[in-house]
Amino acid sequence: GENVEQHPSTLSVQEGDSAVIKCTYSDSASNYFPWYKQELGKRPQLIIDIRSNVGEKKDQRIAVTLNKTAKHFSLHITETQPEDSAVYFCACTSYGKLTFGQGTILTVHP
Amino acid sequence: DVKVTQSSRYLVKRTGEKVFLECVQDMDHENMFWYRQDPGLGLRLIYFSYDVKMKEKGDIPEGYSVSREKKERFSLILESASTNQTSMYLCASSLWGEENTEAFFGQGTRLTVV
Repeated sequence: GENVEQHPSTLSVQEGDSAVIKCTYSDSASNYFPWYKQELGKRPQLIIDIRSNVGEKKDQRIAVTLNKTAKHFSLHITETQPEDSAVYFCACTSYGKLTFGQGTILTVHP
Repeated sequence: DVKVTQSSRYLVKRTGEKVFLECVQDMDHENMFWYRQDPGLGLRLIYFSYDVKMKEKGDIPEGYSVSREKKERFSLILESASTNQTSMYLCASSLWGEENTEAFFGQGTRLTVV
């Protein structure tokens, strides 16, 4: 089955810095790559996604890149703010099965 | 507004009990999923279903079963609860199709097995 590896497990940055989270996957049939943000005590919510026919997507301060050949994708957050502090999960979908990475705890210090 | 609702927010059960976790979605989604969330391990897929009465094992199905008799409802069953099944359980749903889409999550059920 699909295996998704996510790094780093924790990330601490100063407000205004950039943050990068990386994921690799194993199933070449995966074709949809969403990123979820989970704030403390809340349910995960989609923040951005990318499909296999696209290499990069941007939405304001967040961007995602996908390298299908290398089977890795990354989340980039620029100009981080304290409200970006949360757990971030990468995921991928293959034949309907949605598999998540282990999560990254991002802490943005004011 | 998509709504995925889990029947309980907190649950305490005894070892050996049969436990039912219920999930209902109101958006006519074909796909439904059950995950457990443990610190450092992320969201691990237990089972998923892409249609009524259809189910597929996820990565950690041992000790669990599921039931999907109606499109909107997906139940997770712990046949004989054990302490290592103490965890946060999350249900999710999404549309099925060529274009995979966003999954919407329930609020979670924190299960404690004593």
